[in-house]
Amino acid sequence: AQSVTQPDIHITVSEGASLELRCNYSYGATPYLFWYVQSPGQGLQLLLKYFSGDTLVQGIKGFEAEFKRSQSSFNLRKPSVHWSDAAEYFCAVGDISNFGNEKLTFGTGTRLTIIP
Amino acid sequence: NAGVTQTPKFQVLKTGQSMTLQCAQDMNHEYMSWYRQDPGMGLRLIHYSVGAGITDQGEVPNGYNVSRSTTEDFPLRLLSAAPSQTSVYFCASSYAGVGEKLFFGSGTQLSVL
Repeated sequence: AQSVTQPDIHITVSEGASLELRCNYSYGATPYLFWYVQSPGQGLQLLLKYFSGDTLVQGIKGFEAEFKRSQSSFNLRKPSVHWSDAAEYFCAVGDISNFGNEKLTFGTGTRLTIIP
Repeated sequence: NAGVTQTPKFQVLKTGQSMTLQCAQDMNHEYMSWYRQDPGMGLRLIHYSVGAGITDQGEVPNGYNVSRSTTEDFPLRLLSAAPSQTSVYFCASSYAGVGEKLFFGSGTQLSVL
């Protein structure tokens, strides 16, 4: 079965600094990978996704992620964070069900705090 | 366009009580799912549906029932609530197929005493 590991439970970054959130996955085939963000008291919102092709994918809000098959990683990056980026970030891997749709397995999340 | 609507937002139950968490979407999505979110465990899939009349179990289905009689609605039933079911529950929907963006509701915070 697939799995996702987010090794950092909580990260604190200064506003304007760069950010990298780590994600490692375990999956037998080419993975479908996602990053979602959850603001306090809200549901999750998709930031970006990777299926195939270019290993560097761009998302919303200035985020990008790089797929590295050799390291089984899909780390999320942003060159300069804003206070509004404070949230919880979830990496997820998709498995194909018997019906042909995906079932997502989420990591445990990384909480991002931004300091002025 | 309301998106994915979950009701209620908060609920307190006593052990053994039953209740239904409601989920409705107005985007004509074929795929709907229920997740529970617990501290330190991320989101775990409870049940999902790929269309009216078609449901399947996810990672943690025990203690929960679902049905899908219409495209719009996907209720989650707790038949006999247990303290272990204290959690935040999220409903999500998407178009069918791989790689589709999941749209999440704002969640239901459930406490079972």
